[in-house]
This record gives sequence, structure tokens and C-alpha cells, in this order.
Amino acid sequence: DAGVIQSPRHEVTEMGQEVTLRCKPISGHNSLFWYRQTMMRGLELLIYFNNNVPIDDSGMPEDRFSAKMPNASFSTLKIQPSEPRDSAVYFCASSPTSGVSDTQYFGPGTRLTVL
Amino acid sequence: GQQLNQSPQSMFIQEGEDVSMNCTSSSIFNTWLWYKQDPGEGPVLLIALYKAGELTSNGRLTAQFGITRKDSFLNISASIPSDVGIYFCAGTLTGNTPLVFGKGTRLSVIA
Repeated sequence: DAGVIQSPRHEVTEMGQEVTLRCKPISGHNSLFWYRQTMMRGLELLIYFNNNVPIDDSGMPEDRFSAKMPNASFSTLKIQPSEPRDSAVYFCASSPTSGVSDTQYFGPGTRLTVL
Repeated sequence: GQQLNQSPQSMFIQEGEDVSMNCTSSSIFNTWLWYKQDPGEGPVLLIALYKAGELTSNGRLTAQFGITRKDSFLNISASIPSDVGIYFCAGTLTGNTPLVFGKGTRLSVIA
């Protein structure tokens, strides 16, 4: 069975540009999470969905960030406009249950560099 | 909010040595998870702990859920080169509270 799929794996863009990160969770999983990883702050939860519904977006840094989950097999994280401080690795993870603390399966991540 | 302190931040060990790392929380947890992250990849779950005092093994890895519910440790026995990576602890109090991750322990194994 395929794991969590993320695209692109690497993204380099210029400040001010729109960036869209994509995630396909494991089939049958009910919950989807977006994380950001940096050396300084470690892994930070940005937002999570339960059955395609956003439950908690308190981790989203600011209005420039938005996330959608139009169906059970696809989610996007958009940054508009992007800034250099957004440079990080962004992970998508999915879980087979609705519990936020349950086992999460991570994708390979998207390394974003904003110049 | 909940905070996790993970130590040590990094370790350099000889192949064959045993390794121990730990995680402490500012508040009690009901769930402790240990993940490993290889370079360029996402974290992969190693061990999950759900009960205070629980001791669980996965091959050469052993993890324990502290009795106080505020700490957990991970041991790796007879380390090998492929153990290299970053080990993260994660925990939470309830099923409705998002996981909190430690900053990670970077393990290097010298052959």
C-alpha cells in the first residue's frame, strides 16, 4: 500500500510568489495533518482535518497560509505571498482514526526555499 | 502549553554501543510516541506507549512510559550504522489534543 504522497519534493521560489503544496493521504485514513519543520522550532503542527473538515488551524502562522481538503484523497497547503522566513520542510501526515494523538504516518516532505 | 524537552540534542557513538535518550514533559501525558527521521524523509513511527509504566520493545529498540507520566526514554542496543538519524519523542494528554513533538536527538554512529 502506498504511503502518504507529497508533491513537489522540492520547491524553490522567489519572495512574493504563490506556493502550493500537495498531499495524498493513505487511502482510508480519516485524519490529515500539515506540519512545518525548521531547525529552530522543530516540528510544528499547522492545521489538521478530520473527515475532510478543518478542526484546528491555530498553528497556521498567519493569513498568508491556507489549507484545503476538497475530498478524502487530496489536500493542499498554500502560501500567498511567500516570504523567505517560510523556508522549511513541510510534512503531511495521515492517521487511520479521528483521534488527534493517534499514530500518524508522515509523507516524505516538501523542502521549500523562498529566495 | 505543553512542552517537551528531549535530550541529548546529539550523540556520537561507536558501532555496537548501546544508546539511551529521553524526553520530559511539563505536564502529564497519556500517550508517548517515538519516531525516527532519516535524512530527506519524514518521521517514521518506532514505538507507541499508552500506559504509565509500560515497557515496549521493537527489535533492538526499547521504550518506556515513565511512572510519573511526565517522561519517556528510548534505548537502542548494539547500535549499527543504519541507526543514524534523528529520533523524536511525541506525546499528548488526550485524544483530542494534538501531538507535541520534541526537538529531536541526532544520532551518529561511527563504524
